[in-house]
Formats: sequence, C-alpha cells, structure tokens
Amino acid sequence: AQTVTQSQPEMSVQEAETVTLSCTYDTSESNYYLFWYKQPPSRQMILVIRQEAYKQQNATENRFSVNFQKAAKSFSLKISDSQLGDTAMYFCAFMKESGGSYIPTFGRGTSLIVHP
Amino acid sequence: DTGVSQNPRHKITKRGQNVTFRCDPISEHNRLYWYRQTLGQGPEFLTYFQNEAQLEKSRLLSDRFSAERPKGSFSTLEIQRTEQGDSAMYLCASNSVAPPGEQFFGPGTRLTVL
Repeated sequence: AQTVTQSQPEMSVQEAETVTLSCTYDTSESNYYLFWYKQPPSRQMILVIRQEAYKQQNATENRFSVNFQKAAKSFSLKISDSQLGDTAMYFCAFMKESGGSYIPTFGRGTSLIVHP
Repeated sequence: DTGVSQNPRHKITKRGQNVTFRCDPISEHNRLYWYRQTLGQGPEFLTYFQNEAQLEKSRLLSDRFSAERPKGSFSTLEIQRTEQGDSAMYLCASNSVAPPGEQFFGPGTRLTVL
C-alpha cells in the first residue's frame, strides 16, 4: 500500500514571502502521479498542481512550483509571493493505475496561514 | 455546469438511523469517487465508479455502507445503522476517463451522529 507523509501539520508565512511544504511518499511503482490540492476554510478542495512521475521537469503553475525528487520519493510544494488567499489546508496526493482504476492516497495535510 | 454538488450539506442523525447522501458530478465525467474526511486528516478513499460500475471499494468500508450510481450520473451513499464513529465529512469527486486528471470535489456532506 502506498503511504503519503506530510510532516508539517502547520506552517505560517508572511504575505509576499516564500514557503515550502514537504511531502514524501512510499511506493515501489515507477509510473505514478502526484498532486497538491488546496482546501480553503469551509470551501471545496481544488487542484493546485500535478506532476507525472515519468517527467523529469518540475511542474509549475504561476506562483506554485514543485521540487520532485523521484529517487528520494519527495514532492515538495513551493509557494512564491504568498497571498492572504493562500491560507488553506494543503494535501499531497499520490495516484497510480491499478487494473484500470486510479485510486488516490492523500496525506494528512498541512495547514498554511499567511499573515498580513 | 456548476461543478460537483452534494446534498444535504449537513445531516444530524441519531445513532442507529439510516442516512443517504447524494452526489451530482460534472455531467461529462465518467468517474466518481466517495471519500470520508475526519478532522485533521486527509480524504480517505471509500469507493469509486466508472459510469455505473462500482470498480473499487476500500477494505475499510463497512458492510453498513453502500453506494450506487444507477444510470452513470448521480450517485448515492447510504449508511445503515449509523454509529458515532461515522461522524465525518463525506466528499464526492469526479473526473473524466482521460487519466489521471484533476479531481473536481464537491462541498461535502457533514454528518453528525448523536
């Protein structure tokens, strides 16, 4: 079974600064997918960024980028120029194909607070 | 399309009662997932449909839980003989067959079992 570990239950950052959220996972698979999802307070979870394991290039979406280290099984999320609206729970998720099904495994989440 | 919707948003019930939740996915999405989320935890996978076929069920899913997606559109999740440990947020998500893409989540149904 896959496991996803987010070792930082809570993080805080000043507005406009940069913060990095960590995620490690355990798998014996070589082909899989990794995601970061954001869950703002009392709002729906939305995708932040996605990475395919077969791609060496780190994914980037505007102020969000990842540092994907496949050998180390690490998938950290960097948020640049933090904004108040970035305050949310952030979940790292792992997904692999199994018999045509794609079942994600989520970490426990990191609560990020952006201070003005 | 307004996204994934779930009803009701909140449900309070007494222990031993049955409850049913509904999820309406994005119309063109073939895949539908149910998750349970408790405080301080990430979503925990419960079950998954591709069209009307239920392809995966978590081994953690008690026999008291059942899910259906009769016409490959909306889905229902029923919990029979609820227990206090069933109190949680129940999330629904959908995505298209093209793998493995972004999951679109609903707002969730918060269940409280007294």
